[in-house]
Parts: sequence; C-alpha cells; structure tokens
Amino acid sequence: DTAVSQTPKYLVTQMGNDKSIKCEQNLGHDTMYWYKQDSKKFLKIMFSYNNKELIINETVPNRFSPKSPDKAHLNLHINSLELGDSAVYFCASAVSGANVLTFGAGSRLTVL
Amino acid sequence: QQQVKQSPQSLIVQKGGISIINCAYENTAFDYFPWYQQFPGKGPALLIAIRPDVSEKKEGRFTISFNKSAKQFSLHIMDSQPGDSATYFCAARDQTGANNLFFGTGTRLTVIP
Repeated sequence: DTAVSQTPKYLVTQMGNDKSIKCEQNLGHDTMYWYKQDSKKFLKIMFSYNNKELIINETVPNRFSPKSPDKAHLNLHINSLELGDSAVYFCASAVSGANVLTFGAGSRLTVL
Repeated sequence: QQQVKQSPQSLIVQKGGISIINCAYENTAFDYFPWYQQFPGKGPALLIAIRPDVSEKKEGRFTISFNKSAKQFSLHIMDSQPGDSATYFCAARDQTGANNLFFGTGTRLTVIP
C-alpha cells in the first residue's frame, strides 16, 4: 500500500525518558512534516524537511530533534520527555510546490 | 497566534440537514484553502480545497464558499449523513513557505440519524 506510515502507534513512557517516533512514506514525495495535535485537537506544525534539509522549525523546544536519513524517512527524537509533550504526533508528506499533504495515522504519546 | 480561526468548535446536525463550518484568516500571503476531514484514530485527509480566485467550489455534497474581501471561507455539507461525523479542519497555505499549512482549531461534527 502506498502510504505514510508511523511507528509506534502508541507510546507510553515516564517523564525524563528519551523516545523516538519513526515515519516512512513510499509516495515519492520530497517534503515531509511533523505536526503535533494536542488534547483539544489543535494541529500545529513542528518541522518540515525538503530533500533532507530542515526548512521549517516553528519554535519547537530543542528537546525535539528531527532526523531525515533520506527523502522517504523523517524520524522524531524527543529528549527528556515532559508531561506537556503528551499529544498525537502526525507525520505528513507532500510534493514540493504541490497542494496536498498526506498524513499518517498518528502516534499517540503519553508521558506519565 | 492562531492564523486561521474556525467556528463552531462542535456541531450537531440531524441526518439530511446542512452542516456549516466557518473560517477566517488575516494573512494575505495565504493562497490555497483546503479542508481536511479526520475520523477518530486516523490522520487528517484532504476533503476539498479552493483557491482565492474563485468564490465557490462544489464536490458532491461538499461546497466551499470563499469571500476574499472578507478573508472568510466556509464548508457546507448538504444532506448530512451519519458517516460524515468527524472532525473538520480548515487550513490555509502560506505561499512563502514550503506547503506550510496553518490549520484551524477543528470542528467536531456529529450527524444524528
């Protein structure tokens, strides 16, 4: 299936831990994103990568570090997790200059 | 700062009724206005979109109305069905960014049978 796939779908962890969420797309897109959706369903862009280069960083704390080994992957690593990091994180991809973002199914992170 | 304002936060409509969701923006650099539909446990998916050079776009039961001078746009769902129950997000693209979409706060639509 052509899609944007994220792993894990659910992640429960303690404060202070470090965790990663992986994202892969097989759509041939050259731009990938991470969005955070909080408990009120508000979707906020965190990062965007175009051809492995970071092009947007919307004042996200530096505990969050995106890593893109190639055009098809954009992983999100989070250090020293805090309670406020609990949210659903969505990966998305698009063709640069095109209008449609394709979202993954989301990764629900719960920090205890 | 909320770049796209959306209302209402939640909406309950009887089956067969019309659902209307409204959005407003200020940034004149926005050049593309999509609506995304999100079902529980899923990611948002593009539903319908419009560019500011047209005032209306219709796809099946879904219509976007766009008022450029007022910087407002709305989604109308005709003959609403229980299967339309989902969260709807309006969005606007900043043409100065690389497809940087700014989303509204979402509207949870419930269509009652």
